[in-house]
Amino acid sequence: GENVEQHPSTLSVQEGDSAVIKCTYSDSASNYFPWYKQELGKRPQLIIDIRSNVGEKKDQRIAVTLNKTAKHFSLHITETQPEDSAVYFCAASTSGTYKYIFGTGTRLKVLA
Amino acid sequence: EAGVAQSPRYKIIEKRQSVAFWCNPISGHATLYWYQQILGQGPKLLIQFQNNGVVDDSQLPKDRFSAERLKGVDSTLKIQPAKLEDSAVYLCASSPTSGIRYFGPGTRLTVT
Repeated sequence: GENVEQHPSTLSVQEGDSAVIKCTYSDSASNYFPWYKQELGKRPQLIIDIRSNVGEKKDQRIAVTLNKTAKHFSLHITETQPEDSAVYFCAASTSGTYKYIFGTGTRLKVLA
Repeated sequence: EAGVAQSPRYKIIEKRQSVAFWCNPISGHATLYWYQQILGQGPKLLIQFQNNGVVDDSQLPKDRFSAERLKGVDSTLKIQPAKLEDSAVYLCASSPTSGIRYFGPGTRLTVT
């Protein structure tokens, strides 16, 4: 079945620096890749997503890149701020089933 | 727009007891999901409903877990009898036809 690996499991950066989280998927039929942010004790919230027909998508300080050949996608956060501290989950999904397979999460700490 | 509602937010029970969780999805969302999120892991799908029909329950431990969505709106998830390894956050999510998941705040279950 589909498997999604996510790295690193924890990441600490200084405020203002960039953070990169990487995910690898196994099912070449996957074509939708959302990223969720989960603050401590709160619900996961969608922050950005990308479909397989594009290679990059940006939304202010957040961007996601997709390499279909290598079957990996990455979340990039620039100019990090303390409020970016949270656990970030990637997921892979196939249209039709819309079944999400989540990664194991990355705990991001932004140090002031 | 009101979000996904869940209750209770916290529950502590002893092993072998039973427990039930309730979820009310976003109005108009036909698809409802129950996820189990064990500490330090990504959400794992337990069951997916489309209106009041089950689409996927392949990872639901059916000997102890049950779920229903009788009128195609709100849903209940039950565990009977509970085991120590059931300690987790149970997340309900709903989605429109696009498949984007909107998560509820979750119910944190502790089994002692």
